[in-house]
Amino acid sequence: KQEVTQIPAALSVPEGENLVLNCSFTDSAIYNLQWFRQDPGKGLTSLLLIQSSQREQTSGRLNASLDKSSGRSTLYIAASQPGDSATYLCAGYSSASKIIFGSGTRLSIRP
Amino acid sequence: NAGVTQTPKFQVLKTGQSMTLQCAQDMNHNSMYWYRQDPGMGLRLIYYSASEGTTDKGEVPNGYNVSRLNKREFSLRLESAAPSQTSVYFCASSVFGEGDLYTGELFFGEGSRLTVL
Repeated sequence: KQEVTQIPAALSVPEGENLVLNCSFTDSAIYNLQWFRQDPGKGLTSLLLIQSSQREQTSGRLNASLDKSSGRSTLYIAASQPGDSATYLCAGYSSASKIIFGSGTRLSIRP
Repeated sequence: NAGVTQTPKFQVLKTGQSMTLQCAQDMNHNSMYWYRQDPGMGLRLIYYSASEGTTDKGEVPNGYNVSRLNKREFSLRLESAAPSQTSVYFCASSVFGEGDLYTGELFFGEGSRLTVL
């Protein structure tokens, strides 16, 4: 059974730092890996999707990588800003219906 | 571009009452999903619909029914609400299939906050 773990559960860093959020999964037969951002009281916003044939994706200051052999994905945020404060969730896809979410990392960027 | 739209955004029910959450997407996606999000439990799949005319149970389907009315709309019904169904409900959609066009990227609505007293 696929399990997705995100560590740490919460992270606070000063503005301007580069940081890495981690996502681990137990089943290496993963199809897609998607990172989301969730602001308080809001829905999930898609940040990056890494498809099965890809190893990383980039969007602006964000870079996500996927290593199926080690069961890990990382989300790298460069030059963090207070506006990056949110909860970040990763989701591992085994199929169209088997999409397992991690519990998220609550990120706080201090001005 | 509206994306995924859910109604209502907030609802308070008494135990035993029924209600339907509505979801519509305008991205021509074939797959639609209903999730619930609870503190400490993360996001859990209630039901999904891989394509128009099909629905399947997810991880936590008890107490819920769904209808895939057409390609755009997917509704979630609580027949007899219970306090344990107090949660935030999210509808999502994606394109799943074969070929480069079918990325499977999930898009979410803003959520429906339901309280059952």
